[in-house]
Amino acid sequence: GQSLEQPSEVTAVEGAIVQINCTYQTSGFYGLSWYQQHDGGAPTFLSYNALDGLEETGRFSSFLSRSDSYGYLLLQELQMKDSASYFCAVRDRGAGNKLTFGGGTRVLVKP
Amino acid sequence: KAGVTQTPRYLIKTRGQQVTLSCSPISGHRSVSWYQQTPGQGLQFLFEYFSETQRNKGNFPGRFSGRQFSNSRSEMNVSTLELGDSALYLCASAHQAGGVYNEQFFGPGTRLTVL
Repeated sequence: GQSLEQPSEVTAVEGAIVQINCTYQTSGFYGLSWYQQHDGGAPTFLSYNALDGLEETGRFSSFLSRSDSYGYLLLQELQMKDSASYFCAVRDRGAGNKLTFGGGTRVLVKP
Repeated sequence: KAGVTQTPRYLIKTRGQQVTLSCSPISGHRSVSWYQQTPGQGLQFLFEYFSETQRNKGNFPGRFSGRQFSNSRSEMNVSTLELGDSALYLCASAHQAGGVYNEQFFGPGTRLTVL
């Protein structure tokens, strides 16, 4: 089977840095994705890591370590608009390639 | 390019009824996936269609079914509704099925309430 673990909630102040960790168990791994979802909105794609290392996209970066079955999303220079839920997701070759999401991390940015 | 659209946006049904939800993917996208989102269970995969064929299915009872039409539009049906089916149902489209990039484009969802 497959499972993804991520913290349920993180609180930080504007301008701070937040790291959201995600550990996964799969039987055939393609890559790790991250999605953002604001309250009442639809999930939107943020990033994808297929290989080990850090991918940077503006204030957001995503990291993957395949040997550790671990990744993280780094949110820098936090802004109020970053208050949202963040989901990691994997597509598992051993599970028919279906996309499985973690439970989500709710990030609350305070002034 | 227009995004993914879902209809209806809100729906209230009673136990035992059945419901059909509709999803129109982004033009040119041939893969459509459906997810159920609830506060307790998060985003749960229902099924994925590509070129009118079901490619993957999640762990949901047979009351949940779907189909895809030749224009890539998709519908999902839930029969004999139960209270626990109350959720946000999200549709997502992608260029390919099982694409390695995992990038899916989500619609706004249909909020189903079962009374």
